[in-house]
Amino acid sequence: GAVVSQHPSRVICKSGTSVKIECRSLDFQATTMFWYRQFPKQSLMLMATSNEGSKATYEQGVEKDKFLINHASLTLSTLTVTSAHPEDSSFYICSARDFPRGATGELFFGEGSRLTVL
Amino acid sequence: GQQVMQIPQYQHVQEGEDFTTYCNSSTTLSNIQWYKQRPGGHPVFLIQLVKSGEVKKQKRLTFQFGEAKKNSSLHITATQTTDVGTYFCAGSYGGSQGNLIFGKGTKLSVKP
Repeated sequence: GAVVSQHPSRVICKSGTSVKIECRSLDFQATTMFWYRQFPKQSLMLMATSNEGSKATYEQGVEKDKFLINHASLTLSTLTVTSAHPEDSSFYICSARDFPRGATGELFFGEGSRLTVL
Repeated sequence: GQQVMQIPQYQHVQEGEDFTTYCNSSTTLSNIQWYKQRPGGHPVFLIQLVKSGEVKKQKRLTFQFGEAKKNSSLHITATQTTDVGTYFCAGSYGGSQGNLIFGKGTKLSVKP
């Protein structure tokens, strides 16, 4: 199956700093990638849909100035958590579809990035 | 908005017992997908159901899609310790490329 790589897997930062998380599709081109946030013992909350070459589409309640998404190429999307605060600590995970190979529309997930803001 | 409800939230079983998780949508789905997330891991696609009343099997796992395409279930026969993890259903309302709405997941623990 298609492979999505996410980096870093863990990051610890100080409050007020910014953190960038990368999501790469390794063996396919992804015009669309999705960013999720997962709280402990909870489901995947879709934050935004990242579109190559255009602005991301954010879900209701997600601050676009807080969570900057850039999808500059067909294989790379980045999520930058700006001026991070402890409440931003979470597991962030990206996914992509390998369309048209993945005709079922299944999502391939990255390994996730655990952010801890001190 | 559109929601996919999933129950139960947790299930603890003895190895060898069966397990079922259920998903329900108030409106008709285009399709439903199932994912498994092992502890510390990321979700991995299991299967997609598209047709009304569809039943698919993968070894000890049986997936069903309701006749009205509003509900789905995943049944595991004779659970094993390797089955532990959280099982998510994800419904689409916009075809195979529509956004997926994830259920809250069912966390399965299996006692040897």
